[in-house]
Order: sequence, then structure tokens, then C-alpha cells
Amino acid sequence: DGGITQSPKYLFRKEGQNVTLSCEQNLNHDAMYWYRQDPGQGLRLIYYSQIVNDFQKGDIAEGYSVSREKKESFPLTVTSAQKNPTAFYLCASRISGTGGNEQFFGPGTRLTVL
Amino acid sequence: AQKVTQAQTEISVVEKEDVTLDCVYETRDTTYYLFWYKQPPSGELVFLIRRNSFDEQNEISGRYSWNFQKSTSSFNFTITASQVVDSAVYFCALSEAWDDMRFGAGTRLTVKP
Repeated sequence: DGGITQSPKYLFRKEGQNVTLSCEQNLNHDAMYWYRQDPGQGLRLIYYSQIVNDFQKGDIAEGYSVSREKKESFPLTVTSAQKNPTAFYLCASRISGTGGNEQFFGPGTRLTVL
Repeated sequence: AQKVTQAQTEISVVEKEDVTLDCVYETRDTTYYLFWYKQPPSGELVFLIRRNSFDEQNEISGRYSWNFQKSTSSFNFTITASQVVDSAVYFCALSEAWDDMRFGAGTRLTVKP
């Protein structure tokens, strides 16, 4: 089955630690995205990548880093520089090109900083 | 800059009632796309519909219908005869021709039995 997988589903981190969230897709999509969702709020874009080995900052990139070494993978690292990392993180992908293509989402990772 | 407003933060209805979720958008582009997504308690966003700015025809899919009006910059979503399984957070989103998606804050719909 084609889709997007994110792991782990729940993640706990101590303050000061870096942590990496996994996102894998087998939809053969060029573009991939990371969003952050806080309670009662919409989705805010952290980083996106339109093609392998290239990525762009979104609206709230500070304290996060990404890599895009393979088309199917777009891991997100939450660094210790992110002051308030507790949130729900969603990964998405879509066929690159015009803005008219819908994004497909993974099941999300809930990160809690202890 | 593009912007999406979902003024209704939470809506609660009783099963079988009709409910309309409002979405108002702002854009300077003439070519743009509007989307609705459903986020059930599991967390994954589920795509419901896409409309482009050149197609103002309303659409119906089962109990779901969408009303796109460029004159009022609105793209409202109506659920007819709501069911408990419709309980979720619903997001409206806007994407300009070569830009990425911008989401509204979402409307939490609770359907009570």
C-alpha cells in the first residue's frame, strides 16, 4: 500500500537533547513537508523539500533541521535550540509542480519534552 | 500574503443535524486552490476536496457539500444529517499557483448521539 509512515508515534525527550523524527513515503512524490501542530491551532510549516538534496525553511524553522538524501525520506531533527518543542508533528508529501496538488499526510509523531 | 480564516473554533451538534463550517480566504493571485481536510482523533489529516479558482461549481459528495463563492472569498463546507463519526477537526487550506499550502486554525466539530 502506498502511503506515508512516521515513527515513532510517541516520543519523549529530556530537555537539552536532540531528537530525530522519521518520515518515509512510497508514493514517489517529489515534494515533502514538515508541519507542527499545537493544541487548538492550525498547521505551521517548519521545512519543505521540492527535490532531493534541496530544502527550504518554512515559517518556524528555528531550532529544527532536516535532510533530504533520498526521495522517499525526509527526517526532522528537533534540536536543543528549539525552546518549546512539545507538539504534534506531521509529515506530508505531494506531487511537485503547481500548488493545485493535494498533500498526503502521515499519522504524526507526538513529541513531549520532560 | 495568503491567509485562511476559520472563525468557528468549536461547533457542537446533535446527530442528524446539518452543520456548516465556514472558511474565508485572502489572496492576491487569480490562480489558487482551496482544500478541506479532516483530522479525526487519530491525528492523520485526510484529504476531502480541492477546488481551483476557475471552478465555482458547488460540489456534493454523499452527505458532504461545498459552496465556493469568489465574490465573498468563501469556501464553506456543509455536512448534512451529521453522524458521530463526523466528529473531528476540519481544516480549510489555500495554495497559490506555485506556493505551498496555508492552513486555517481549524474547526473542531463534535456530533453528539
